[in-house]
Order: sequence, then structure tokens, then C-alpha cells
Amino acid sequence: QVQFVQSGAEVKKPGASVKVSCKVSENTLTQISIHWVRQAPGKGLEWMGGFDPEHGGIVYAQNLQGRVSMTEDTSTDTVYLEVNSLRSEDSAMYYCAKSAYRRAFDVWGQGTLVTVSA
Amino acid sequence: DIQMTQSPSSLAASVGDRITISCRASQSISYFLNWYQHKSGKAPKLLIYAASRLQSGVPSRFSGSGSGTDFTLTISGLQPEDFATYYCQQSYGTPLTFGGGTKVEIK
Repeated sequence: QVQFVQSGAEVKKPGASVKVSCKVSENTLTQISIHWVRQAPGKGLEWMGGFDPEHGGIVYAQNLQGRVSMTEDTSTDTVYLEVNSLRSEDSAMYYCAKSAYRRAFDVWGQGTLVTVSA
Repeated sequence: DIQMTQSPSSLAASVGDRITISCRASQSISYFLNWYQHKSGKAPKLLIYAASRLQSGVPSRFSGSGSGTDFTLTISGLQPEDFATYYCQQSYGTPLTFGGGTKVEIK
């Protein structure tokens, strides 16, 4: 069973950038589709984007387009989420998740807490 | 974007109760509807995919039904470990969207 281990908590100032990592076990990175989901305090789950085979590449949520970048390093089996121009509303728990059964997320990372504060 | 509306937003129930949570899509999503359980401090857990298929390892007291725009998650015989927040998610098209969540609390 594939597992994900995410990087540790981050505290950033408004306007800065953050890069969260998600290491995939079992050398399976090239065989799976990974997405990112976040949850702000007191809020629900929000899909940010991910690799979508139907689109042949990474699809981003439109409200984040231009500020978010998802990349991967197959040599280390690690995927990255970078969020630029951070705002207070970007404070959230960020999760990487594996897509299965047509974009149902069956495996999740443990989460990375990102706090944006002056 | 496809909007997902869950009801109720919260409910109080007792151990052993049968509860149902509803999820409505703003347009037809066929059977591309998934349900998750989320406990504070933990990652969400997939319970049901494709509207009614039980994820491996999930107890059979969880069941899902529906198609098109209206879907239901049922928990038959609520257990202490089931008190959590439940989310529906449409996977018909991008952007993928979640319902607002239903918090299940102890009565």
C-alpha cells in the first residue's frame, strides 16, 4: 500500500512563498496521480489541483491559478506544492492525496500546517 | 463549477442509531460521488466511491446510494468511532468540489 509522508509545519509572512513536499513510498510516483487538498481553520475541504489523466497534465483550481505550482521529482519520489504571494486566507492544513477510481482520493498524507501571519 | 450541498450541516445521534446524510449536486454527476470521514487532526478517509461502492476495509454499516444529483450516505448502527465530520465530493469534472460537511455529534 502506497504511503505519503509530508514535510513539517511552516510559518510564513504575507507575500512570501511556501513549498510543501509529499514523499511517496514504493517507487510508485510515475504510476499514480496526486492531488492537493487544503482545509482552512473552521472551513471545509478545498481541492487545489492535481494531475488529471483526462486533461493530460496538471489541473489547478481556477481561484488559485497563477499562485500555485505542483511539481515532482521522480529521482526522489517526491511531489511538491508551492504557493506564492501568501495571504492570511492561505493558512490551512495542506494534504496530498492519491487519486483512484476516477478522482476519489484513497490515500492521504498526514497533512502539513501552513500558517501565514505578520 | 459544480456546487455540492450537504444536509444537515450537523446532527446529534446516539450509539446504535441509523443516520442519513444527504448531498445534492447543482447538475447531474452520474454516479461520480465519493464520501469521506474526517476526524480532527487526522487525514480524511475514503468511505464510499462511485456513489455506492464500499472502500476496502470500511465497515459494512456504511452505505451510499443515489445517482444524478441526489445522493445519501447511511450509517446503520452508529459506533463511538463514527463521530466525525463527513464530506461528499464530486469527481465528475474539474474543479473537483466538496460539500460543506456534516458534523455528527454525540447526543
